[in-house]
Amino acid sequence: QQQVKQSPQSLIVQKGGISIINCAYENTAFDYFPWYQQFPGKGPALLIAIRPDVSEKKEGRFTISFNKSAKQFSLHIMDSQPGDSATYFCAAHLSGTYKYIFGTGTRLKVLA
Amino acid sequence: DSGVTQTPKHLITATGQRVTLRCSPRSGDLSVYWYQQSLDQGLQFLIQYYNGEERAKGNILERFSAQQFPDLHSELNLSSLELGDSALYFCASSVASRRGLPTEQYFGPGTRLTVT
Repeated sequence: QQQVKQSPQSLIVQKGGISIINCAYENTAFDYFPWYQQFPGKGPALLIAIRPDVSEKKEGRFTISFNKSAKQFSLHIMDSQPGDSATYFCAAHLSGTYKYIFGTGTRLKVLA
Repeated sequence: DSGVTQTPKHLITATGQRVTLRCSPRSGDLSVYWYQQSLDQGLQFLIQYYNGEERAKGNILERFSAQQFPDLHSELNLSSLELGDSALYFCASSVASRRGLPTEQYFGPGTRLTVT
């Protein structure tokens, strides 16, 4: 019940296209949903995050869509660029704890 | 640069050995998290400390232990190493609220452990 299921495992998108990564969860005690971007040889870096009382959050080309009733949230990367090629992780924070549960990651490749 | 430092960057050791990974959090951050990332796996939460006290435990093996020192740096000790312990080990820090409210985590560059 503490899992966060992430899909797809890998994604190839043409430059200028939209990249969409999905995550689903079961535990309603999650209260914060961040997305991390990780380049090879580096640690994950926070990209954008959302709380469950908001249905959408946009920062530049990155948008999180959140569907509380379906227990799903997704990351949309508009106008995808080769520099966006990285692994993306969704995560969820368990309310009242210090625990973050991470998805298994999506390896995104944007073709030039 | 996140401001979180981890040493060493790479570590190669043999099965049965013991190693210590070190993490220095960002200045001002009281909370330190340890994660394990195996090949093609997500980040598995191991353990978390807040101002020297253990506050949360994840899927950490009994052969693994950690501590946070008064200067807030943390060490992860891995003993009786097995081939399956080969992974990237990340430390993250945050200004975690004592009430467990979510705060942004800043990850270090990781330590790549190879057990042969």
